Amino acid sequence: NAGVMQNPRHLVRRRGQEARLRCSPMKGHSHVYWYRQLPEEGLKFMVYLQKENIIDESGMPKERFSAEFPKEGPSILRIQQVVRGDSAAYFCASFTIKAGEGTEAFFGQGTRLTVV
Amino acid sequence: AQSVTQPDIHITVSEGASLELRCNYSYGATPYLFWYVQSPGQGLQLLLKYFSGDTLVQGIKGFEAEFKRSQSSFNLRKPSVHWSDAAEYFCAVGLFAGGGNKLTFGTGTQLKVEL
Repeated sequence: NAGVMQNPRHLVRRRGQEARLRCSPMKGHSHVYWYRQLPEEGLKFMVYLQKENIIDESGMPKERFSAEFPKEGPSILRIQQVVRGDSAAYFCASFTIKAGEGTEAFFGQGTRLTVV
Repeated sequence: AQSVTQPDIHITVSEGASLELRCNYSYGATPYLFWYVQSPGQGLQLLLKYFSGDTLVQGIKGFEAEFKRSQSSFNLRKPSVHWSDAAEYFCAVGLFAGGGNKLTFGTGTQLKVEL
């Protein structure tokens, strides 16, 4: 049972380009988080997605950032017109919800975005 | 909104010594609590979790944590640290049960192990 798969692991973009980060959840999981980790900082929540729905995007910057989780295929985090400040590690986590039980989120290895 | 505080940014212990990493949370109801570990350049691995029941929970790699409601704490412990435990440790709260629909992380504690 493969874990959460993120690709690419490393991504270099020039300022002004688009970055597209992919996340394939664990099999059977239909819920996904995206987090951003800046150097020497903790993980900051960005967005919570369920298949075909955005549940909570309160952590997403208002401009240039978007996320989707289509019915088929991976979840995508898209950053348009990247700037140096977007350089960070971006982590995806997936989980399933079990009625009446606690759950846990499984994290991918992350995509390390460098904007030059 | 819930929050998590990890007061110690860096901790250094000798191999074989005991370890306690502190975590305090701010939340009105009984939270779901988690400890994750992150090695350099890697993702996060779940060490243990607390949902309800016994307040002392056992995790992987010989770690345990104790939930103390009166102190709003969920400290992580290990009786004897190994050099391979050097990593960054994150406490988190949330992921439902009234704790909101996200995981809120502390800022992490960087553990260094001296041989």
